[in-house]
Amino acid sequence: EDQVTQSPEALRLQEGESSSLNCSYTVSGLRGLFWYRQDPGKGPEFLFTLYSAGEEKEKERLKATLTKKESFLHITAPKPEDSATYLCAVGGQTGANNLFFGTGTRLTVIP
Amino acid sequence: DAGITQSPRYKITETGRQVTLMCHQTWSHSYMFWYRQDLGHGLRLIYYSAAADITDKGEVPDGYVVSRSKTENFPLTLESATRSQTSVYFCASGAGGGAQETQYFGPGTRLLVL
Repeated sequence: EDQVTQSPEALRLQEGESSSLNCSYTVSGLRGLFWYRQDPGKGPEFLFTLYSAGEEKEKERLKATLTKKESFLHITAPKPEDSATYLCAVGGQTGANNLFFGTGTRLTVIP
Repeated sequence: DAGITQSPRYKITETGRQVTLMCHQTWSHSYMFWYRQDLGHGLRLIYYSAAADITDKGEVPDGYVVSRSKTENFPLTLESATRSQTSVYFCASGAGGGAQETQYFGPGTRLLVL
């Protein structure tokens, strides 16, 4: 069964303190791994798609990496505006149009 | 502005009533999706549609009905609302429907069933 586990559930960082969020997955034939950012009361906002192990993508202070079993979202020198819940989702061979979402990591960046 | 909108944003209803949540997108995306988000669960797919008049079940379809007569609209109906359907509902759209295709989400509808 396709499954996504995100850790930690919550993370508090001081402004400028770099860290990483983890997304571990089991999926039959990975077709895509997606990172989204979700602010309170809003819909998920697309950040990255990764397709194969070894792939990396960057956007401002965020960098996403992918291995065969997990993905990391690295946050370099975070700012308070980076506070949000970060969601990971995977698409596999089963359920052709299903994305399986993790429960997210709630990030708080303290000024 | 182009994008995906949902209405209403907030809805309170009673058990047994019929409720319809609306979703509209202006990107001309072929695929549209309905998810629900509950505490302790990731987003879960309710129904999706590959094109007008083509719909299929997702992970948690029971108690829901969808239709898609126009490409840009994808309403979700709760035929007889139950308390377990209290949730936040998100509509999404994508140019493709495969599990490698990016989905773009609307702002959500927060539904409370009393």
